[in-house]
Amino acid sequence: QLQLQESGSGLVKPSQTLSLSCAVSGGSISSGAYSWNWIRQPPGKGLEWIGYVYQSGSTSYNPSLRSRVTISLDRSANHFSLILTSMTAADTAVYFCARADWGSPHWYFDLWGRGTLVSVSS
Amino acid sequence: DIQMTQSPSSLSASIGDRVTITCRPSQKIANYLNWYQQKPGQAPKFLIYAASSVQTGVPSRFTGSGSGTYFTLTISSLQPEDIATYYCQQSYNFPLSFGAGTKVELK
Repeated sequence: QLQLQESGSGLVKPSQTLSLSCAVSGGSISSGAYSWNWIRQPPGKGLEWIGYVYQSGSTSYNPSLRSRVTISLDRSANHFSLILTSMTAADTAVYFCARADWGSPHWYFDLWGRGTLVSVSS
Repeated sequence: DIQMTQSPSSLSASIGDRVTITCRPSQKIANYLNWYQQKPGQAPKFLIYAASSVQTGVPSRFTGSGSGTYFTLTISSLQPEDIATYYCQQSYNFPLSFGAGTKVELK
């Protein structure tokens, strides 16, 4: 059964860069037609879609973060990554990785990682 | 961007009650509406896509309906394991966006 697991820096200083990885286990990240997404949730608040990478390497980002975000795929390591630059306290959140079915027009997230808390503090 | 408005923001109900949550997008989105359930400390769980299609394994007491600018998620008979926060999400266009959530509590 496919599983996703986030890892990376849990504490980031203001103005620094966040780097997270999402490991895909139980199957290949290249199997099927899926997009691989990052979604975040500030403490006690709702969900915000950050962006996705498709297995071809194509990407799409939320315009609110586009200037600071990069999502990439590493097929050989079976994981995908998030880089978010110029971090501020407003970026403090639980960051989730999630899968969406590329073949469906109804872009739902059917598989999620457990999430990792990222705090921005000096 | 499409703004998603959920109501109520929270509700209290008893076991066995019928619970209805509303989601209103800021523009018409046909049936491009999905629902999720999130329990404290957990990732969201996917429940319903295309407004009314229930994901495999989701109990039949969960139903979704609506189109355009008005959608509902109904729990026909609330169970203890349904205590959670529920989110709607539009997939009509990018950026994908979620509602602020509806917290369902026990009365």
